Amino acid sequence: GQNIDQPTEMTATEGAIVQINCTYQTSGFNGLFWYQQHAGEAPTFLSYNVLDGLEEKGRFSSFLSRSKGYSYLLLKELQMKDSASYLCAVRDRDSGYSTLTFGKGTMLLVSP
Amino acid sequence: EAGVTQFPSHSVIEKGQTVTLRCDPISGHDNLYWYRRVMGKEIKFLLHFVKESKQDESGMPNNRFLAERTGGTYSTLKVQPAELEDSGVYFCASSQEARVGYGYTFGSGTRLTVV
Repeated sequence: GQNIDQPTEMTATEGAIVQINCTYQTSGFNGLFWYQQHAGEAPTFLSYNVLDGLEEKGRFSSFLSRSKGYSYLLLKELQMKDSASYLCAVRDRDSGYSTLTFGKGTMLLVSP
Repeated sequence: EAGVTQFPSHSVIEKGQTVTLRCDPISGHDNLYWYRRVMGKEIKFLLHFVKESKQDESGMPNNRFLAERTGGTYSTLKVQPAELEDSGVYFCASSQEARVGYGYTFGSGTRLTVV
């Protein structure tokens, strides 16, 4: 089975940088995803990592270390609209390569 | 393009009743998934359709849940009879390819409350 851990809540200030960590235990790892979800809305895709290293996309970056079973999502120049839940999810052999196993999500609150 | 549409957005039913949730995927997406989030828990996989065929239904909790995708377009998820523990948010997602590297497109979900 899989085990995905991420902090339950984080707070940060507008304009700052925040890093949301995710650790996972799985077999046959085949990719890690980050989704953003605002309350009452659909989760929306942010990033995908399958190889070690950093993927940068505008204000958001995602890092993966397969040997450590570790990823983080880095949000720069925080804006109020970034207040949301951030979901870490992995795809692996055990769950079928087309399905995702999610963590419980990290609720980020950005304050002025 | 239109996104993934789910109906209804909210449903409140009594224990023992039947509820049917509907999902309209993005046009042309052969792969359709159902996921569920129970309060306080993570989003969990229920099942995966490829066109009208069930590719993987290993996440379906029990035989009170029935999913269909006639014609390979929209899908329905029926819960009969509903129990209190079925309360949660049911998400549908679709993708063009199964081994997608860029994630699915999710719908906004149906919030089901069983009282």
